[in-house]
Amino acid sequence: DTVLTQSPALAVSPGERVSISCRASEGVNSYMHWYQQKPGQQPKLLIYKASNLASGVPARFSGSGSGTDFTLTIDPVEADDTATYFCQQSWNDPYTFGAGTKLELK
Amino acid sequence: EVQLQESGPGLVKPSQSLSLTCSVTGYSITSNYWGWIRKFPGNKMEWMGYISYSGSTSYNPSLKSRISITRDTSKNQFFLQLNSVTTEDTATYYCARWRYYDGTYYPWGQGASVTVSS
Repeated sequence: DTVLTQSPALAVSPGERVSISCRASEGVNSYMHWYQQKPGQQPKLLIYKASNLASGVPARFSGSGSGTDFTLTIDPVEADDTATYFCQQSWNDPYTFGAGTKLELK
Repeated sequence: EVQLQESGPGLVKPSQSLSLTCSVTGYSITSNYWGWIRKFPGNKMEWMGYISYSGSTSYNPSLKSRISITRDTSKNQFFLQLNSVTTEDTATYYCARWRYYDGTYYPWGQGASVTVSS
């Protein structure tokens, strides 16, 4: 299975820019997606196919990358962005998820 | 607006079957694809499988011998059955619409927490 590796946690101050990385153990073309999960809520799709903003998602969120290295950027970070961010690939079967990066605000 | 809601027992005994229902409103399950994903304690997430608009299914190979996804189109519901559960199946189970053209899950239900314990 394709393993997706994310750093476990980040802490940033409101107003700053933050980049969250996801590295795949094998190429996934551009089929990498990002979800946000706030405590007690279900995951919400943020970015699909590496760089496309999902409906209703603020333009502060952006995605980039291809192949094996992908990045989710939030600029500027707001207090409401406290959450865990997961990457997911849909190029190789079975589809797999990263373990999530917990974003905390200072 | 499509909405999904999971329901089912929160506690299952080891070796028994786990059964969950996903009720869909705002969209017919005879269109699109509908899947189950679970999130284990510690955040690991696993795609379990999906059922298509026609009723065909696809499962994660790691679960293939234990899982079944079915549906009731008259009630606009689809179901998860996982047999021979162990404590390692303790997780929050989510149903979601699966977008076949890009492989994303959107939207998700609220999730159902299931504990496997005697």
